Amino acid sequence: QKEVEQNSGPLSVPEGAIASLNCTYSDRGSQSFFWYRQYSGKSPELIMFIYSNGDKEDGRFTAQLNTASQYVSLLIRDSQPSDSATYLCAMTGTASKLTFGTGTRLQVTL
Amino acid sequence: DTEVTQTPKHLVMGMTNKKSLKCEQHMGHRAMYWYKQKAKKPPELMFVYSYEKLSINESVPSRFSPECPNSSLLNLHLHALQPEDSALYLCASSGVEGSGQPQHFGDGTRLSIL
Repeated sequence: QKEVEQNSGPLSVPEGAIASLNCTYSDRGSQSFFWYRQYSGKSPELIMFIYSNGDKEDGRFTAQLNTASQYVSLLIRDSQPSDSATYLCAMTGTASKLTFGTGTRLQVTL
Repeated sequence: DTEVTQTPKHLVMGMTNKKSLKCEQHMGHRAMYWYKQKAKKPPELMFVYSYEKLSINESVPSRFSPECPNSSLLNLHLHALQPEDSALYLCASSGVEGSGQPQHFGDGTRLSIL
């Protein structure tokens, strides 16, 4: 079992819709959770981080954490074509290093 | 604009060349990282420096040699690389290693080995 699992996609959503990206993890010691956006050929860009159970909102982005079920998700409201990218879920926990999922490719269609 | 600056943006080198990648941050971060990323894969950790000391070496071949001259600078010296070392090399920094603070990435150096 991979430590951090994401559906590779592509996840296709129409412009203006809500995109829901999910990530599950196996290390119950994971404590800090991050979402990075990566455009093709570019470097990862931090868009959200969450440290406690529940929801955290920042503009059109909402991160959701459920440690009991060991999942973290990212919701993108009013999706725009510029949101088309690969979204990497990452976390730190018992080991201080950042563990990445394989990423979900999001396509926002016109 | 990224707050972690990497140079050069692109590098092409032969297998016998010696070159260096450079990374600089002015956020007062005390942890700095080198990652390697191949196409359609997540970044793979190579090295971690904490308070200018090497903290983690993920069993990286000795043809990659990291250096942290001061709290703002991180170098990666390259020598006798192989074609499979062609990749995007990413530098990142965070407040303190192990604190759970976010890592911020530079734009990366696209390395091609001939």
